[in-house]
Amino acid sequence: GAGVSQSPSNKVTEKGKDVELRCDPISGHTALYWYRQSLGQGLEFLIYFQGNSAPDKSGLPSDRFSAERTGGSVSTLTIQRTQQEDSAVYLCASSMGQKNNEQFFGPGTRLTVL
Amino acid sequence: GENVEQHPSTLSVQEGDSAVIKCTYSDSASNYFPWYKQELGKRPQLIIDIRSNVGEKKDQRIAVTLNKTAKHFSLHITETQPEDSAVYFCAATHPFSGNTPLVFGKGTRLSVIA
Repeated sequence: GAGVSQSPSNKVTEKGKDVELRCDPISGHTALYWYRQSLGQGLEFLIYFQGNSAPDKSGLPSDRFSAERTGGSVSTLTIQRTQQEDSAVYLCASSMGQKNNEQFFGPGTRLTVL
Repeated sequence: GENVEQHPSTLSVQEGDSAVIKCTYSDSASNYFPWYKQELGKRPQLIIDIRSNVGEKKDQRIAVTLNKTAKHFSLHITETQPEDSAVYFCAATHPFSGNTPLVFGKGTRLSVIA
């Protein structure tokens, strides 16, 4: 079946603009994660959704970042008033929702803030 | 919270030699330790994982060892091949219920020289 998909693959925006990044998880996966990968760096956790539970937002770097997951499937990560330091690859992952199940990553969205 | 340290940051080996990447973690409650491989411009993919109830796991040329007392785990790649060249990330997590986000190391860039 299809893997995790993300759109757009690349996004260039001007400082101060808002952006929306989309993630389509694998069908049936109840857990969805957003990570950020800066150039040459590891993966930084941002936010986590598990079923109908309240999301774990502990990794969001500022209140300019927010995310939603509609209908337990598609998720949107929104960055308001983008800053140059927001430039990174934003990766989404999903898993089946049982303990320790493999997280499958999407291809990422490369965000460049000019 | 959990903190994962990964060493070395870069590693070059001759084709056919072995490569070892080491990680330490801080939270003794962590009990799931996956390793991801990320080729240039591609998404991270799980290559092997280990749970805290075992000390070693092998899959063909790849093996992972875990020392819970010392809180460290290692990735071993034998008979390296050029296609093993990639960035490798270790991670740790401790799901008390359901999945929890992975805490990643900063990655090791492995270069296999033909």
